[in-house]
Amino acid sequence: EAQVTQNPRYLITVTGKKLTVTCSQNMNHEYMSWYRQDPGLGLRQIYYSMNVEVTDKGDVPEGYKVSRKEKRNFPLILESPSPNQTSLYFCASSLGGADGETQYFGPGTRLLVL
Amino acid sequence: GQNIDQPTEMTATEGAIVQINCTYQTSGFNGLFWYQQHAGEAPTFLSYNVLDGLEEKGRFSSFLSRSKGYSYLLLKELQMKDSASYLCAVPQTNAGKSTFGDGTTLTVKP
Repeated sequence: EAQVTQNPRYLITVTGKKLTVTCSQNMNHEYMSWYRQDPGLGLRQIYYSMNVEVTDKGDVPEGYKVSRKEKRNFPLILESPSPNQTSLYFCASSLGGADGETQYFGPGTRLLVL
Repeated sequence: GQNIDQPTEMTATEGAIVQINCTYQTSGFNGLFWYQQHAGEAPTFLSYNVLDGLEEKGRFSSFLSRSKGYSYLLLKELQMKDSASYLCAVPQTNAGKSTFGDGTTLTVKP
């Protein structure tokens, strides 16, 4: 089954404790992205990647890191989480190119930073 | 930069028709997407418009006017399961950067 998976789905942590949210897709997509979604707000892009070893900042990159060492994986790293990073996070992938911008989303990771 | 506006909330009756508008201002244009998101779930693709005009897909249609920076999503024969948030999104380039509107929460009442 073609899908985007994220782990963990739910996470409670404390301020300053490094964490990683994994994202994996099995569709051989070139592009991958991370978004956060907060109540009353739409999806805001954190980082995106066009290919292996190619990443760029989205609209809200502060406090986050990403890496793209393999095509299928795009982990999101919070080196020192803070309460304002409490949010619902979505990973997404797309084929890429002019006709391949349709994004397929993972199920989401709900993060609470105390 | 990108700016996308859509109404925050809409309410409609089961069986009726509802139109959700989206206006955008972009420095470039590579098409416009509509996604549906049920509460607590991931967004799912509904439609994509890159040329002016109406794209019809079953009960859902999407319209685009590039000269006016305007799109709408038309939902016909509303069903209770259509209660969801509808997100308008514009890719900024062909490189993966996208901007989403804040979403329109549609409530369908019996």
